[in-house]
Amino acid sequence: AQSVTQPDIHITVSEGASLELRCNYSYGATPYLFWYVQSPGQGLQLLLKYFSGDTLVQGIKGFEAEFKRSQSSFNLRKPSVHWSDAAEYFCAVGAPTGGFKTIFGAGTRLFVKA
Amino acid sequence: DSGVTQTPKHLITATGQRVTLRCSPRSGDLSVYWYQQSLDQGLQFLIHYYNGEERAKGNILERFSAQQFPDLHSELNLSSLELGDSALYFCASSPRGGAGGRRTEAFFGQGTRLTVV
Repeated sequence: AQSVTQPDIHITVSEGASLELRCNYSYGATPYLFWYVQSPGQGLQLLLKYFSGDTLVQGIKGFEAEFKRSQSSFNLRKPSVHWSDAAEYFCAVGAPTGGFKTIFGAGTRLFVKA
Repeated sequence: DSGVTQTPKHLITATGQRVTLRCSPRSGDLSVYWYQQSLDQGLQFLIHYYNGEERAKGNILERFSAQQFPDLHSELNLSSLELGDSALYFCASSPRGGAGGRRTEAFFGQGTRLTVV
């Protein structure tokens, strides 16, 4: 069965510092991987996705993620964090099994300090 | 704005009652997904409909049911409500939702916050 682990419940970084959010997944085949962001009281917005091809994917808002099959990881990075990036970030894995079920990690809440 | 519309935004009801949550997917999207988000369970996949047919089921209780209508809007029915059903319920849609393909990322609505008292 698929599963997603986000080891960090919350992370605090200074504005302008770099960011890496960790994500490990478990899935038997080539996974479909996503990162979503959720601001307070809002729905989830897709930051980026990986289906196949280049293992380094670029997303919106200056985010990128790297798929590493050997480590079953899909970590999210940003070189310089802005205060507006404070939100909750969810890693997810999708499986096209008849339908399409997306399993989310528990989320990592990002705090940005001035 | 994702283009996915959920109504109502907030709902307060008593235990034992039944409620219906409504979702209008983005124009042209055939797939609708329902998720429940709570503090203790996180984001849980409930069910996936594609063009009117149920395609995948997650951790959906027997007291809950869903359907997708010919105009592609979807409803999630929650009955015999318990305090523990209080949560944010999200609907998402995508253009496809079968096996593989590029366009399987989901676009989420703003959610319906259900409070059971």
